[in-house]
Amino acid sequence: KNEVEQSPQNLTAQEGEFITINCSYSVGISALHWLQQHPGGGIVSLFMLSSGKKKHGRLIATINIQEKHSSLHITASHPRDSAVYICAGGNTGNQFYFGTGTSLTVIP
Amino acid sequence: DADVTQTPRNRITKTGKRIMLECSQTKGHDRMYWYRQDPGLGLRLIYYSFDVKDINKGEISDGYSVSRQAQAKFSLSLESAIPNQTALYFCAPNHLAGVTDTQYFGPGTRLTVL
Repeated sequence: KNEVEQSPQNLTAQEGEFITINCSYSVGISALHWLQQHPGGGIVSLFMLSSGKKKHGRLIATINIQEKHSSLHITASHPRDSAVYICAGGNTGNQFYFGTGTSLTVIP
Repeated sequence: DADVTQTPRNRITKTGKRIMLECSQTKGHDRMYWYRQDPGLGLRLIYYSFDVKDINKGEISDGYSVSRQAQAKFSLSLESAIPNQTALYFCAPNHLAGVTDTQYFGPGTRLTVL
């Protein structure tokens, strides 16, 4: 069993739909990161959370420390949001546990 | 991230060959990491370095070695490449703040071992 589990593994949505990607973790972490991997392979950081909620444009990330759960929401989805979204938990030893990613396809 | 470069970006090699993947960063970060990514698996840590004199094995270091030539450069070598080392490799420089700071990744090197 992975320390970080994401669901769903694959997601197809129509343009404009509200999207939720979930991440659960079973280890103690200091911070939870959401990453986006583009079809070409490059990885960029979207959010770092240690508590509460963050918003950037149409993206919202939340974390519930007690339940060891985080969600990434995309409002008004667009085809350019198509990517793999990766959840990663960082521990006090400065190492990361990565989820296997959620592959999102947004259809026009 | 344009501040992190990896060379080569794509490489096809044969079983038994030695190959080096190079990473350079201009972000001034002390810590550098090498990960590999395989389909259906999360990123897995190969080696990491907290400074030039500090090298640490990750969870899958067998078959790999690294060299931290300078703060800005961290190279990964496959001593004798084998097909199951076919993967996408990422270098990631990381600020001293560690896991509570923004994470940066290089553009990746796609390695195929025949």
